[in-house]
Amino acid sequence: GGIITQTPKFLIGQEGQKLTLKCQQNFNHDTMYWYRQDSGKGLRLIYYSITENDLQKGDLSEGYDASREKKSSFSLTVTSAQKNEMAVFLCASSMGLGHSYEQYFGPGTRLTVL
Amino acid sequence: GDQVEQSPSALSLHEGTGSALRCNFTTTMRAVQWFQQNSRGSLINLFYLASGTKENGRLKSTFNSKESYSTLHIRDAQLEDSGTYFCAAEVGEGADRLTFGKGTQLIIQP
Repeated sequence: GGIITQTPKFLIGQEGQKLTLKCQQNFNHDTMYWYRQDSGKGLRLIYYSITENDLQKGDLSEGYDASREKKSSFSLTVTSAQKNEMAVFLCASSMGLGHSYEQYFGPGTRLTVL
Repeated sequence: GDQVEQSPSALSLHEGTGSALRCNFTTTMRAVQWFQQNSRGSLINLFYLASGTKENGRLKSTFNSKESYSTLHIRDAQLEDSGTYFCAAEVGEGADRLTFGKGTQLIIQP
């Protein structure tokens, strides 16, 4: 088994601020993902990474940057936080990319922008 | 329209009863995952299906790729089953990412 750790658990930011969320996995998975969840909606893909130093845009990449520093970690940066924004950011990993590979999720980071 | 449609959007059950949640897909899909999101917000993997039926305790999921739907059956519901249930699938030819439904909010009442 393995585990996905996300830090911080709660993040409060100011409008216009640059905010960074971190994700670590010890599954030794190649592929990692960042999703955003808004209240009452399903998850939407922001960025994903097939391997170390790889970066692929998802459906919601505008306003975000990401970095796959090493195989086990994947960071997401909100480049300019939007006032009154509230969302949960979920990190996931899988052994590979594609329908044969189950995704495992972290506990999430809850963002509130004042 | 949405590529992954979940129904119902909300469901209330009494303890000990059961029901089925459904996920319809508007195009080709090759595998489906079901998750439970609990009160703390964590997503718990329930099932991953490339075909057929899987069962785990009081939960059972089926996947019908020909007719483009999947179901999640809950029997003998318990209070801890409360939460939001999501299905997700790689939708469309060559898709390499999961598309999530909007979820079914399940409330189990004593």
